[in-house]
Amino acid sequence: EVQLVQSGAEVRKPGESLRIACETSGYSFSNYWITWVRQTPEKGLEWMGRIDPRDSHTNYGPSFQGHVTISADKSITTAYLQWNSLKATDTAMYFCARSHSGSYDYWGQGTLVTVSS
Amino acid sequence: DIQMTQSPSSLSASVGDRVTITCRASQSISSYLNWYQQRPGKAPKLLIYPASSLQSGVPSRFSGSGSGTDFTLTISSLQPEDFATYYCQQSYTIPRTFGQGTKLEIK
Repeated sequence: EVQLVQSGAEVRKPGESLRIACETSGYSFSNYWITWVRQTPEKGLEWMGRIDPRDSHTNYGPSFQGHVTISADKSITTAYLQWNSLKATDTAMYFCARSHSGSYDYWGQGTLVTVSS
Repeated sequence: DIQMTQSPSSLSASVGDRVTITCRASQSISSYLNWYQQRPGKAPKLLIYPASSLQSGVPSRFSGSGSGTDFTLTISSLQPEDFATYYCQQSYTIPRTFGQGTKLEIK
């Protein structure tokens, strides 16, 4: 059974760093890109970027380039989303998803990130 | 970036109704259009890819059509579990983009 299990909710202060995880199982991790999607009530679903676990090649959306880092560890079939300096506007629900021919067929349950002073 | 515009933004309907949701791309995306359903507090669920193929396990009352810039998702006979928010997403180019969503509510 394919599963993507995300790490738990986080609360941070502006300027702090954070890394959230997406642990996968039930399929060959290297064969499918992993994508991160942000969801807020104001902007809906936003495509943040993706990683090819075979070689860690990444693409980022223009709004996220330079502000987040996507990485993956093949040895533990886990993808990560990282911030070095959080902003209040990063408060959102974050989803990881497995990419299959451009669509997203399996999703994590979501990680709520709250950034507040 | 390609902009995806859904209409309507919200829709009230009754169990048994036939419902159609439209998604328009700001430029041609061929048939690279996917549809998702999201229930409150849950992750999106893939329904249709690309444009008209039904994802495994999705009921046949869901169907998709279109190509180029205009696409539709149709639910032939609404069931109580179908009341949710629906999103389209283009997979033609990077960055991928989603529509703003259509909230389907019970009348």
